[in-house]
Amino acid sequence: DADVTQTPRNRITKTGKRIMLECSQTKGHDRMYWYRQDPGLGLRLIYYSFDVKDINKGEISDGYSVSRQAQAKFSLSLESAIPNQTALYFCATSDARGRGDSGANVLTFGAGSRLTVL
Amino acid sequence: SQQGEEDPQALSIQEGENATMNCSYKTSINNLQWYRQNSGRGLVHLILIRSNEREKHSGRLRVTLDTSKKSSSLLITASRAADTASYFCATASSSSNTGKLIFGQGTTLQVKP
Repeated sequence: DADVTQTPRNRITKTGKRIMLECSQTKGHDRMYWYRQDPGLGLRLIYYSFDVKDINKGEISDGYSVSRQAQAKFSLSLESAIPNQTALYFCATSDARGRGDSGANVLTFGAGSRLTVL
Repeated sequence: SQQGEEDPQALSIQEGENATMNCSYKTSINNLQWYRQNSGRGLVHLILIRSNEREKHSGRLRVTLDTSKKSSSLLITASRAADTASYFCATASSSSNTGKLIFGQGTTLQVKP
């Protein structure tokens, strides 16, 4: 099994629908992240979590919310999807510990969730 | 705004040639990392270089870092068709204790057999 698992891998939905993307990890890492990838724009950080009770907004959090249900699970929700949220979404974990560790912070990525909003 | 900017955006070479990609960034950093992404897949970590290091090697990869110019380069020697992918630099700002990574836009490398 993959270290970081994302579901669903592909999803097509309509404007206004609520969508949840789920992420689970088996690496035992404290830190988890949600990134969005658009062609020509690289990866942009949506939300990140240092641990279950420490969740922070990234560069582009508007229109998104997250829930850290457990150390291993971090889900991303779009309450009312819109077409410009069509993108490839990645969950990642980090080997840095908690909030205070500003060390190496190497990321392990999931395979991605491709979301299309019509 | 993006912290890292890669150059070139796209690169096409023949198998066996070397590929060089460059990354420039804006703020002081703790470290700089390079990741690889095969089409439509997740990113995979390749190599990390710390701010007090100038060069690092890993197999056919060579990374340099010039903190005075706020730039890094990734050299892939003796390229193979399997090296075809997008390559991203990512930086961790030293002004923040969060360690969060900011990614550049990537260089798309095509290695022709």
